[in-house]
Amino acid sequence: SQQGEEDPQALSIQEGENATMNCSYKTSINNLQWYRQNSGRGLVHLILIRSNEREKHSGRLRVTLDTSKKSSSLLITASRAADTASYFCATLPNDYKLSFGAGTTVTVRA
Amino acid sequence: DTEVTQTPKHLVMGMTNKKSLKCEQHMGHRAMYWYKQKAKKPPELMFVYSYEKLSINESVPSRFSPECPNSSLLNLHLHALQPEDSALYLCASSRSAGELFFGEGSRLTVL
Repeated sequence: SQQGEEDPQALSIQEGENATMNCSYKTSINNLQWYRQNSGRGLVHLILIRSNEREKHSGRLRVTLDTSKKSSSLLITASRAADTASYFCATLPNDYKLSFGAGTTVTVRA
Repeated sequence: DTEVTQTPKHLVMGMTNKKSLKCEQHMGHRAMYWYKQKAKKPPELMFVYSYEKLSINESVPSRFSPECPNSSLLNLHLHALQPEDSALYLCASSRSAGELFFGEGSRLTVL
């Protein structure tokens, strides 16, 4: 079953703007991961943040994790048309069964 | 390019057919997964093979059966499927608790 819930479900922004999406989860986790999926294709791993970390950066991506609120956010800065995709958070609980949130569909307008 | 290879990319089968989906990775990962994804939904975990031990999502019907011939290969055998089983089937592999590497998926249509 899904552990993570994401919002918003969909996001439309202008090229160059920032995109922020949030993920909430229910149980304790080992780590939280974010993935991107272009339409009908496989998922691509973006970033992993461990339960003892609070913030992580990778290029134009910034992820935060608040384990007390059981929530995470993904920020994409200076968005590009190529960032148009669905973004999923995924939580890894102690049974190591990665579970995906509902996803946020991001559309970047040129 | 993905380092997890899934075949076939597309499969159309009738409800009485028996077919298999194949997945291969050469990254030395000891965990492999099958996920099912319906349109506009997140992937749902079906099976995990971790260090030769199988873990099953109990909601998966028995018409799906996984097979792990060796640590690089993972098959999903399909038998007597229903139209509602039409979906994108994704294979992935990982080291212990790290990121998953996904294949491009096998698009299955059951007529």
